[in-house]
Amino acid sequence: AQSVAQPEDQVNVAEGNPLTVKCTYSVSGNPYLFWYVQYPNRGLQFLLKYITGDNLVKGSYGFEAEFNKSQTSFHLKKPSALVSDSALYFCAVSDGSSNTGKLIFGQGTTLQVKP
Amino acid sequence: EADIYQTPRYLVIGTGKKITLECSQTMGHDKMYWYQQDPGMELHLIHYSYGVNSTEKGDLSSESTVSRIRTEHFPLTLESARPSHTSQYLCASSVWGGGIEKLFFGSGTQLSVL
Repeated sequence: AQSVAQPEDQVNVAEGNPLTVKCTYSVSGNPYLFWYVQYPNRGLQFLLKYITGDNLVKGSYGFEAEFNKSQTSFHLKKPSALVSDSALYFCAVSDGSSNTGKLIFGQGTTLQVKP
Repeated sequence: EADIYQTPRYLVIGTGKKITLECSQTMGHDKMYWYQQDPGMELHLIHYSYGVNSTEKGDLSSESTVSRIRTEHFPLTLESARPSHTSQYLCASSVWGGGIEKLFFGSGTQLSVL
């Protein structure tokens, strides 16, 4: 069975500091991994994905994520946080070997960036 | 728990046909969203609405259109379906609670255009 865990309900960082939002996953086949951001009143927006290839994936708004197969992790990172990055972040996984391709979401992590 | 309904669940249609995907929610949520998803791949926001008579285009360009005449109803229309429109379409609504905006998804419409 697929599952996604985001161990932190909230992450607080100061503006200009690096940020990390953690995600670990479990999937029986090939993991397709995604990060989404939810700004207030805008629903979910796609940030980046890992399907295959380089373990370091670059996405929108300066975010990147590193796929680590041995640790089954896909942590979201940004070198220098902005106050405008404050939002709710969701990690998601699907089984690339499956025909159904259902996305499973983590419970979300609230990122607060203080000026 | 919010109730959000999408019909039809599956639709197979020929090229050039006009189709409307229905989405309704019974919880009085002002904000509603349409997402497009290919199997196993990411959700892409194609339309959203803040309330009655409010519609906005999302992050992914789409040839579909939406309307929001009533709070509970947010239909999506394709004037002339093409094979490239084959995808899963997910509707969602949201509500604020405890300082968090919570999304509720419908079960989706799987559209196949032949």
